[in-house]
Amino acid sequence: DTAVSQTPKYLVTQMGNDKSIKCEQNLGHDTMYWYKQDSKKFLKIMFSYNNKELIINETVPNRFSPKSPDKAHLNLHINSLELGDSAVYFCASSAIAGGGHGYTFGSGTRLTVV
Amino acid sequence: AQSVTQLDSHVSVSEGTPVLLRCNYSSSYSPSLFWYVQHPNKGLQLLLKYTSAATLVKGINGFEAEFKKSETSFHLTKPSAHMSDAAEYFCVVSGSGNTGKLIFGQGTTLQVKP
Repeated sequence: DTAVSQTPKYLVTQMGNDKSIKCEQNLGHDTMYWYKQDSKKFLKIMFSYNNKELIINETVPNRFSPKSPDKAHLNLHINSLELGDSAVYFCASSAIAGGGHGYTFGSGTRLTVV
Repeated sequence: AQSVTQLDSHVSVSEGTPVLLRCNYSSSYSPSLFWYVQHPNKGLQLLLKYTSAATLVKGINGFEAEFKKSETSFHLTKPSAHMSDAAEYFCVVSGSGNTGKLIFGQGTTLQVKP
């Protein structure tokens, strides 16, 4: 019944590794997002997909690559992990892209790079 | 460009007393504004949203916010704090265009003392 689900919830990995985070929504929304929350709890958008098409690509290192196989899924792959990548990553979805529509957020993936 | 400033990084109230969390925004057009709450180690939950309808917006759990264009403010209030209100609160403005991008404030930590 979870509207936006992310896996895994926790991820601890060594520097240099490659890892993926998966996100799925069962709300029928067209738009999905990845946000990063840093250690000071600041949230910033990374990517957004609307019906499988990339519409937002903020200034994010190209080690981060999102993939949307269909509009219900948005995965995030990270290559060559660095210590600074440690953060909480939130997936979210909204009915349509555009202001005025709140998001539904997943519960987050806490990534720790050691 | 759109931005939000949360005027207090930390607010402490006693249980049963009123809550006021302050937010100012900057937007070159009529914005959509939101308040989200994040409980410890949890995802983000939408409390309420303003989308150019009534300026006084009622949300969940007894929270409300008033949009004041002349003051560019969107403060969050609750008449009587409950222990379960202790959390991080984010004021959010929608970005320009039809991307659905949300711009988050820095967050306000609400502490509720017994």
